[in-house]
Amino acid sequence: GESVGLHLPTLSVQEGDNSIINCAYSNSASDYFIWYKQESGKGPQFIIDIRSNMDKRQGQRVTVLLNKTVKHLSLQIAATQPGDSAVYFCAENREGAQKLVFGQGTRLTINP
Amino acid sequence: NAGVMQNPRHLVRRRGQEARLRCSPMKGHSHVYWYRQLPEEGLKFMVYLQKENIIDESGMPKERFSAEFPKEGPSILRIQQVVRGDSAAYFCASSPPPWDRVMNTEAFFGQGTRLTVV
Repeated sequence: GESVGLHLPTLSVQEGDNSIINCAYSNSASDYFIWYKQESGKGPQFIIDIRSNMDKRQGQRVTVLLNKTVKHLSLQIAATQPGDSAVYFCAENREGAQKLVFGQGTRLTINP
Repeated sequence: NAGVMQNPRHLVRRRGQEARLRCSPMKGHSHVYWYRQLPEEGLKFMVYLQKENIIDESGMPKERFSAEFPKEGPSILRIQQVVRGDSAAYFCASSPPPWDRVMNTEAFFGQGTRLTVV
């Protein structure tokens, strides 16, 4: 069946270091991916998205990489800050479907 | 422009009672999506509605759960005869008509309703 999963449930990094959060997906029909950030007690917040015709997309301090060959997605956060502490979810979508399929999530903790 | 508004933020119900969760979409948004999140898990799609229409309810449990989005007023997710397994955070998202990847529109999420069944 469909699944979007994450390799690591928790990740701790030092403030100022770069973070890499990984995600695997199994539905080869997926052609659109989104990373969300969810802080405690809040709803998911859009970070960055990427379509399957791209392999890299950059935002402010964040980069998403897509490897369709191995069905792998990653989120890179540069120079992490305390405010980056949250749970990060990848979500996938395929054309024609109005719903998102979310992964389990990775909890990112920033150490001072 | 207020975001997606959900209420109540926290709801406690005894087993067998009914739970009603409300979602007011962002101004100008006519499409609503409901997701459920169990502790330490990702969000799971439940239902997608437009005004007065259910478009996709493939994620809704077959019994006890229903959703509506009337012409006037908020979208309602209704859970009858709640059980402990219904305890979760329920999130609503809204988008312009409809969520369009090509146009890079964004579905915005509310802060959720945390349902606890005791």
